Amino acid sequence: GENVEQHPSTLSVQEGDSAVIKCTYSDSASNYFPWYKQELGKGPQLIIDIRSNVGEKKDQRIAVTLNKTAKHFSLHITETQPEDSAVYFCAAYHSNDYKLSFGAGTTVTVRA
Amino acid sequence: DAGVIQSPRHEVTEMGQEVTLRCKLISGHNSLFWYRQTMMRGLELLIYFNNNVPIDDSGMPEDRFSAKMPNASFSTLKIQPSEPRDSAVYFCASRLSTDTQYFGPGTRLTVL
Repeated sequence: GENVEQHPSTLSVQEGDSAVIKCTYSDSASNYFPWYKQELGKGPQLIIDIRSNVGEKKDQRIAVTLNKTAKHFSLHITETQPEDSAVYFCAAYHSNDYKLSFGAGTTVTVRA
Repeated sequence: DAGVIQSPRHEVTEMGQEVTLRCKLISGHNSLFWYRQTMMRGLELLIYFNNNVPIDDSGMPEDRFSAKMPNASFSTLKIQPSEPRDSAVYFCASRLSTDTQYFGPGTRLTVL
């Protein structure tokens, strides 16, 4: 089955700086890669996703890049703000399957 | 449009009692997933329904756990009898066809 590894497990950044989270996946057939943000006491919320036919996708301060050859994808948050503090999960999915394989999560803390 | 709705949000019960968690899918979605989240094991998929039919229940930890979808928009997860090790946050997520999963706010279960 699919195995997703996520690094780092914790990340502390100064407000205004950038944050980068990296994930690798094992199944080359995976073709959909969502990112979820989980705030304390809430469920994971989709913040951005990318499909395997695209190398990069951007939404305001958030961007995701995908390298299919190396089987890794990354989340980039620019101009971080205190409200970006949360746990972020990457996931990988194959359209012939139904399971999302999640990374272990990254706890991001933005220092004011 | 309302998101995934879960109830109760918090449940505290004593060991041996029956616990029922409830989930209402996003209107029009046809797939439902139940997850359990703990610090030790992260997000674990318990069971997956598609069009009201259980497709994969391999993640259900024991016979004490059961899940139903009596109609296309509603599901229950029952634990009988409950044990302290069942304490966790339980999420349901819904999906339309092969699109991404949208999570509910979760039910925090504490079994004393």
